[in-house]
Amino acid sequence: EDQVTQSPEALRLQEGESSSLNCSYTVSGLRGLFWYRQDPGKGPEFLFTLYSAGEEKEKERLKATLTKKESFLHITAPKPEDSATYLCAVQARMTTDSWGKLQFGAGTQVVVTP
Amino acid sequence: SAVISQKPSRDICQRGTSLTIQCQVDSQVTMMFWYRQQPGQSLTLIATANQGSEATYESGFVIDKFPISRPNLTFSTLTVSNMSPEDSSIYLCSVVGQGDYYGYTFGSGTRLTVV
Repeated sequence: EDQVTQSPEALRLQEGESSSLNCSYTVSGLRGLFWYRQDPGKGPEFLFTLYSAGEEKEKERLKATLTKKESFLHITAPKPEDSATYLCAVQARMTTDSWGKLQFGAGTQVVVTP
Repeated sequence: SAVISQKPSRDICQRGTSLTIQCQVDSQVTMMFWYRQQPGQSLTLIATANQGSEATYESGFVIDKFPISRPNLTFSTLTVSNMSPEDSSIYLCSVVGQGDYYGYTFGSGTRLTVV
């Protein structure tokens, strides 16, 4: 069964204090690993999709990396507006080329204080 | 990416009643999914809404409790039937658009409280 484990559960940062979030996964053939940001009372907002080990993607202060067993979301010089819950999800490779379900981790709640 | 309108955004319901949640997309989409997010927890897939056929339910979720309709490629409904306080959650619609390579878009969710 596909499993996704995120750590830490919560992270409190000072503004400008860089850090990393971890997403460890077990999946029977990875089709894609997804990072989302979720603000309270809202649906998840898409950040990145990673498809193969060694791949990296960046967006503003966020950088996502992928290995065969885990992914990291690096937050560089965070600002208070980066406060949110960050969710990791995996999709297993399917026999067809269709999009299947996502298996989500529990998330990391990030709070950035001024 | 697709834009999703989900209604209602929140509701407070009496136990034993039913609530139907609507998901309207601004473009035709290949796949539509319904997720549940219980308080303080992550997202769990309820079912995949298939256009023109019965939904495909995940383990632990049944059609009698969560009937789903998908009459066309831009619209779906999820009904939460015979509600109990344990059904209090956020319910989210998610779609993958035709030609979408980058993944899934989520609606803003329906926050349901059962009293």
